[in-house]
Amino acid sequence: EAQVTQNPRYLITVTGKKLTVTCSQNMNHEYMSWYRQDPGLGLRQIYYSMNVEVTDKGDVPEGYKVSRKEKRNFPLILESPSPNQTSLYFCASSFSIRGVTGELFFGEGSRLTVL
Amino acid sequence: AQKITQTQPGMFVQEKEAVTLDCTYDTSDQSYGLFWYKQPSSGEMIFLIYQGSYDEQNATEGRYSLNFQKARKSANLVISASQLGDSAMYFCAMRESYNTDKLIFGTGTRLQVFP
Repeated sequence: EAQVTQNPRYLITVTGKKLTVTCSQNMNHEYMSWYRQDPGLGLRQIYYSMNVEVTDKGDVPEGYKVSRKEKRNFPLILESPSPNQTSLYFCASSFSIRGVTGELFFGEGSRLTVL
Repeated sequence: AQKITQTQPGMFVQEKEAVTLDCTYDTSDQSYGLFWYKQPSSGEMIFLIYQGSYDEQNATEGRYSLNFQKARKSANLVISASQLGDSAMYFCAMRESYNTDKLIFGTGTRLQVFP
């Protein structure tokens, strides 16, 4: 089954404790991206990757890191989480985004709470 | 300035009735794509429908249709014959040709379908 898999789905952590949210897709997609969803703000892009070893900042990259060592994986790293990073996080992928077509395929979301 | 505006935070509709969810957008780009996603209470993001800026016909997918009015910069989602399972959050999104690396999302509309 074609899917984007995120882990963990739910996580409660404390300020400053490094964590990684994994994302893996089995569709051989070139493009992958991370979004965060906050009430009243919709979804905002954190980082994206056009292909292996190619990553770039989105609209809200502060406090996050990413890497793309393999095509299928795109982990999101919070080096020192803070309470303002409490959010619902989505990983998404697409074949290619050359042009305006091509919907994003989303993972199921990871709900993160930072105390 | 907001690129995607969804002015209805919440909407109610009776089962089997049609409902229109509003979306207006702001872009100076001539080539762009418009998307609608559904987010049920379980949290995942489900792609519903796509409309390209050069498409002459309004997009349709089953009970979903997109009322695209280019001059007014609106891309309203019409759901016909509402079902209880349509209760969810709905997001409008846009991709511009000069910035294809992300979808820009609106803040969403929560639709409640009642019997």
